[in-house]
Amino acid sequence: DARVTQTPRHKVTEMGQEVTMRCQPILGHNTVFWYRQTMMQGLELLAYFRNRAPLDDSGMPKDRFSAEMPDATLATLKIQPSEPRDSAVYFCASGLAPDGQIGTNQPQHFGDGTRLSIL
Amino acid sequence: DAKTTQPNSMESNEEEPVHLPCNHSTISGTDYIHWYRQLPSQGPEYVIHGLTSNVNNRMASLAIAEDRKSSTLILHRATLRDAAVYYCILRPQSGGFKTIFGAGTRLFVKA
Repeated sequence: DARVTQTPRHKVTEMGQEVTMRCQPILGHNTVFWYRQTMMQGLELLAYFRNRAPLDDSGMPKDRFSAEMPDATLATLKIQPSEPRDSAVYFCASGLAPDGQIGTNQPQHFGDGTRLSIL
Repeated sequence: DAKTTQPNSMESNEEEPVHLPCNHSTISGTDYIHWYRQLPSQGPEYVIHGLTSNVNNRMASLAIAEDRKSSTLILHRATLRDAAVYYCILRPQSGGFKTIFGAGTRLFVKA
């Protein structure tokens, strides 16, 4: 089965450092989502891409987070500078949205996440 | 966005059927009902989705009430591997992108 691949699986770093998380969506999928999961907030949508274009990043703290898709096989989520409150599991998901639709009701396929700890 | 309500937790015995309920009284006529589950240390996994009719796949069955205000995910024979958090989500037929995950139901399976 095709899978969404996320790297690294775990990251521990000190406050103030830059963190980059990477995601390889399933080949052929045209939508990519970034989520963050914490015990307190559960799963929160941070950003959404369709055909590599960012359509919504309202869930991200703009001053420190940035999300990009350099090409169709790579999505990145960067935090600079990182803070202890950014500690969470970050998930990437991909899906297929039909032409003419902004999104999809088809399944989202999730990676296994990056567990981030900021000391 | 229409909300869903699920019990915080449920318990089942191995090899027995499990019925996981979800209330969505404010569902609109064009909302699909999706179920995902999240195993420990993994990302959410798609289980099943439907609109009006009951649906079956290799993982589970989805029973949708006639008025669509509630639905039930049915695991026919629970295994220890089915212990997970199960999320019931509504998504518009037109294809929105916001997927709002609630707290879900944590399913415990006893051997």
